Amino acid sequence: EPEVTQTPSHQVTQMGQEVILRCVPISNHLYFYWYRQILGQKVEFLVSFYNNEISEKSEIFDDQFSVERPDGSNFTLKIRSTKLEDSAMYFCASSEGSRGYTFGSGTRLTVV
Amino acid sequence: EDQVTQSPEALRLQEGESSSLNCSYTVSGLRGLFWYRQDPGKGPEFLFTLYSAGEEKEKERLKATLTKKESFLHITAPKPEDSATYLCAVRSDNYGQNFVFGPGTRLSVLP
Repeated sequence: EPEVTQTPSHQVTQMGQEVILRCVPISNHLYFYWYRQILGQKVEFLVSFYNNEISEKSEIFDDQFSVERPDGSNFTLKIRSTKLEDSAMYFCASSEGSRGYTFGSGTRLTVV
Repeated sequence: EDQVTQSPEALRLQEGESSSLNCSYTVSGLRGLFWYRQDPGKGPEFLFTLYSAGEEKEKERLKATLTKKESFLHITAPKPEDSATYLCAVRSDNYGQNFVFGPGTRLSVLP
């Protein structure tokens, strides 16, 4: 069964450093997403991406965040200057359209 | 603003003891209600989509139903491997392709 692959599975970074989280969506999917889940809290929408541009973003997705599809297969989330409160599980997902998404297994980001 | 709540927060069942999980929603123009299963440290795994009141979907021991205000996930004769957090999420006119998730119900099935 096709999978969404995320790397790394766990990333520890110093506050103020930049991090890039990587995702390989399912190959024939057209919509790509990032969600995050702070420990013990709800899964929260960050951003959706379609046709090489951001289609929607939440209030969480401020200027320190950016997304990119650099080579037609990878989909990345960059956090420019990490803060302690950015510590969370970050999930990438992809979909063909209106059906349910396929989520990756997540990257656990720990900011120290 | 769209809201999704789930109850109970946690549920412990004996193996074989059937029960139901609730998802209540307030949205502007429901475009779909989705159930996901999430195991610890993993991403949500898609289970069902329901689009209109009265609709039902089944998969093995799970059955999801939908009314105009809530959805139920019925678990019949659960097994320990059904232990997980069950998440409800909605799509609405306000959010396009994106989901608003509920907080989840943490289910434990004891052997």
